[in-house]
Amino acid sequence: AQSVTQLGSHVSVSEGALVLLRCNYSSSVPPYLFWYVQYPNQGLQLLLKYTTGATLVKGINGFEAEFKKSETSFHLTKPSAHMSDAAEYFCAVSGRGMRFGAGTRLTVKP
Amino acid sequence: GAVVSQHPSWVICKSGTSVKIECRSLDFQATTMFWYRQFPKQSLMLMATSNEGSKATYEQGVEKDKFLINHASLTLSTLTVTSAHPEDSSFYICSADKRPYNEQFFGPGTRLTVL
Repeated sequence: AQSVTQLGSHVSVSEGALVLLRCNYSSSVPPYLFWYVQYPNQGLQLLLKYTTGATLVKGINGFEAEFKKSETSFHLTKPSAHMSDAAEYFCAVSGRGMRFGAGTRLTVKP
Repeated sequence: GAVVSQHPSWVICKSGTSVKIECRSLDFQATTMFWYRQFPKQSLMLMATSNEGSKATYEQGVEKDKFLINHASLTLSTLTVTSAHPEDSSFYICSADKRPYNEQFFGPGTRLTVL
């Protein structure tokens, strides 16, 4: 069975600071991994995905993630946080349907 | 593009009534669609996999007689919440599998409130 675990239900950073949201996966087959963002009362927006190929994946809004097989990780980063980045972030692995992590709420302080 | 729509975006109903939610892939065909439920401040949980022309596959713990899924065409799947109760109040999100992309495309969600 495939699953993901997000470390930290809540992350708070100052505007301009580095954003790091952690995700570890478990999969018996090469995983397809995704990061989504959700704003209040809205659906999901895909930030980036890893399927095959380059392990450093660049997404929208300045986010990127690196697939590390040895660490079974797929952490999401952004060099400089913006107020508009405040939202809920979900890591997911694709299998029969998507399996989502519990989510990490990002707060950005001015 | 790959756009998925849901209708309605929100619905309020009385306890005991049934509610139908539609999920449409607007610009592609999807043999497989998925239904998720999200309770407030929680993650998305897969409810069922909807397969065009065949019965849906439900996740463990999801009552198939309560959550009826029909995938009658390659662009439409419906979720009917039968005899709705307040505990069914939730955010329901569908997604559609678009080949050959290794990705699901999500609808905007439907917020169901049962009074």
